[in-house]
Amino acid sequence: DTGVSQNPRHKITKRGQNVTFRCDPISEHNRLYWYRQTLGQGPEFLTYFQNEAQLEKSRLLSDRFSAERPKGSFSTLEIQRTEQGDSAMYLCASSPRLAGVYEQFFGPGTRLTVL
Amino acid sequence: AQSVTQLDSQVPVFEEAPVELRCNYSSSVSVYLFWYVQYPNQGLQLLLKYLSGSTLVESINGFEAEFNKSQTSFHLRKPSVHISDTAEYFCAVSEPQAGTALIFGKGTTLSVSS
Repeated sequence: DTGVSQNPRHKITKRGQNVTFRCDPISEHNRLYWYRQTLGQGPEFLTYFQNEAQLEKSRLLSDRFSAERPKGSFSTLEIQRTEQGDSAMYLCASSPRLAGVYEQFFGPGTRLTVL
Repeated sequence: AQSVTQLDSQVPVFEEAPVELRCNYSSSVSVYLFWYVQYPNQGLQLLLKYLSGSTLVESINGFEAEFNKSQTSFHLRKPSVHISDTAEYFCAVSEPQAGTALIFGKGTTLSVSS
């Protein structure tokens, strides 16, 4: 396994711009999760996919946020009209079919800074 | 709603000293419990987990945690720490009935010095 990868690792943008992050899970992991981590806090759940279906969304996922996993492999997280409060580390995790919630493997994260 | 409390935000210790990182959760229902570790500039790694069975679980690098249902706690311990254990440690819980999301505590920074 090459692990969960995320791109870009860092993103600096101006308020009001749109940004998109990509997550490539461990191959054959059918579940994919997005979390957000702000300074001094633990990761907070945003959303979860099983294959291409988005099965759960947190109330943290406002209308400006959208996530997709079109072919059940990689996933994208888009933030429209970014705000300074969106500055955070965005983490992606995947888990294998049989393990389910038992273990989530995390990527290195994408650090977003909104100026 | 489920919540996780890590009582210490920072724990400084000397090398070879014992350490305990405390974690309490709020749920009274059946839960799964996890400890994740985040080394500087790296992603979260699973350290150990409690799903069922023996209440004492161990990791491969000498950490252990004990599930205490009556106290709703899952404290992490190591009898002798190394400088390489310096990292941030996150306690997390999930409720099997409620879905798959992990609920994390705010983290504890363990700083080991010589």
